[in-house]
Amino acid sequence: DSGVTQTPKHLITATGQRVTLRCSPRSGDLSVYWYQQSLDQGLQFLIQYYNGEERAKGNILERFSAQQFPDLHSELNLSSLELGDSALYFCASSVYGTEIYEQYFGPGTRLTVT
Amino acid sequence: AQTVTQSQPEMSVQEAETVTLSCTYDTSESDYYLFWYKQPPSRQMILVIRQEAYKQQNATENRFSVNFQKAAKSFSLKISDSQLGDAAMYFCAIVEGGGADGLTFGKGTHLIIQP
Repeated sequence: DSGVTQTPKHLITATGQRVTLRCSPRSGDLSVYWYQQSLDQGLQFLIQYYNGEERAKGNILERFSAQQFPDLHSELNLSSLELGDSALYFCASSVYGTEIYEQYFGPGTRLTVT
Repeated sequence: AQTVTQSQPEMSVQEAETVTLSCTYDTSESDYYLFWYKQPPSRQMILVIRQEAYKQQNATENRFSVNFQKAAKSFSLKISDSQLGDAAMYFCAIVEGGGADGLTFGKGTHLIIQP
């Protein structure tokens, strides 16, 4: 158990809908990262937040957005869903600001768009 | 932008034997960190080992060790005394120094352990 929690574990929804994925980082970690794992694209970095502020952006679509709240949990919002958005979405956390850049991953949320 | 290449889509090894998984990378930065992650059938991403680019000594974690060749931009993972529980996808990843970025992953190597 990495200490990172994600809910829900599974999500099935229809095209055009909007969903919210939730992540709670390990105790003490200020930085949260979101990743997408799909058969087509592999593991891709989407976005990073540090202590409530956006820090870095990867291959995140404009239909996707995220935020980190004062209690440090983060949410990834996916809207106007398409079949191709079906994937495993991971959240990871780390202690940002030190030389230790290890990221610890949550169990993931499997999103199926039908 | 950094890239990671894992040229072995699948590897097979007998239980108790040693296997080496290959990884090459490219980055224009001098400060970076390399990782191997394991993804078993449960899909959980598990950190196996970490290597700081400024350290010449190869990292080891129990049965797992790396061969870090900085000039060649190579970062291979050696698993000794392979066990059935080692069966998984293994991903090589890089992050450039500063920490303000996500990991860049290779496409992974599927490791099969033959009993």
